[in-house]
Amino acid sequence: DTGVSQDPRHKITKRGQNVTFRCDPISEHNRLYWYRQTLGQGPEFLTYFQNEAQLEKSRLLSDRFSAERPKGSFSTLEIQRTEQGDSAMYLCASSFSGLPGQYFGPGTRLTVT
Amino acid sequence: DQQVKQNSPSLSVQEGRISILNCDYTNSMFDYFLWYKKYPAEGPTFLISISSIKDKNEDGRFTVFLNKSAKHLSLHIVPSQPGDSAVYFCAARANNDMRFGAGTRLTVKP
Repeated sequence: DTGVSQDPRHKITKRGQNVTFRCDPISEHNRLYWYRQTLGQGPEFLTYFQNEAQLEKSRLLSDRFSAERPKGSFSTLEIQRTEQGDSAMYLCASSFSGLPGQYFGPGTRLTVT
Repeated sequence: DQQVKQNSPSLSVQEGRISILNCDYTNSMFDYFLWYKKYPAEGPTFLISISSIKDKNEDGRFTVFLNKSAKHLSLHIVPSQPGDSAVYFCAARANNDMRFGAGTRLTVKP
């Protein structure tokens, strides 16, 4: 299967703990995106990488959130000092420059108790 | 700021009939519009797109229409099949910023 994969699929954590999610994009895609989706809403853009460079960050991405894509392949999204409002589905997507479609992974569902 | 709106949270149609999903947008800088389909426990799946310089794009049973003057696009599915039952998201792109609507849940009844 050469689609976008995300790990873990589900994460339950206590408020104040740090969590890290991983995304493996489609191998030939040079662009990688992180989104957050809450119930009844569409995905909301968080940040975007072209190769290893983080080119854009949404104002939704507070200083507790950090994302990396060290070698231009997989990416990690870390949330420090989690809050209950961070509970959501975190989606990763990848695409190839110049093509409009983004291909999404299955998401990581985060529950902060 | 909701730049992309899907005003119908749900739609139910009979198998074999046409499904029409609607989407409105406010930002005239959007250059591409896309439709995604989402099944439970899966990420959204890219379905079809249209450039802002076109007014129609067709792919099999799926056709997207764009009315730039009205800032409106629609997705037509003909004929509808029970397997089309899913949540459909409209999305619009300006530079590298993709905005999504809240989705419309389509149910196709056999």
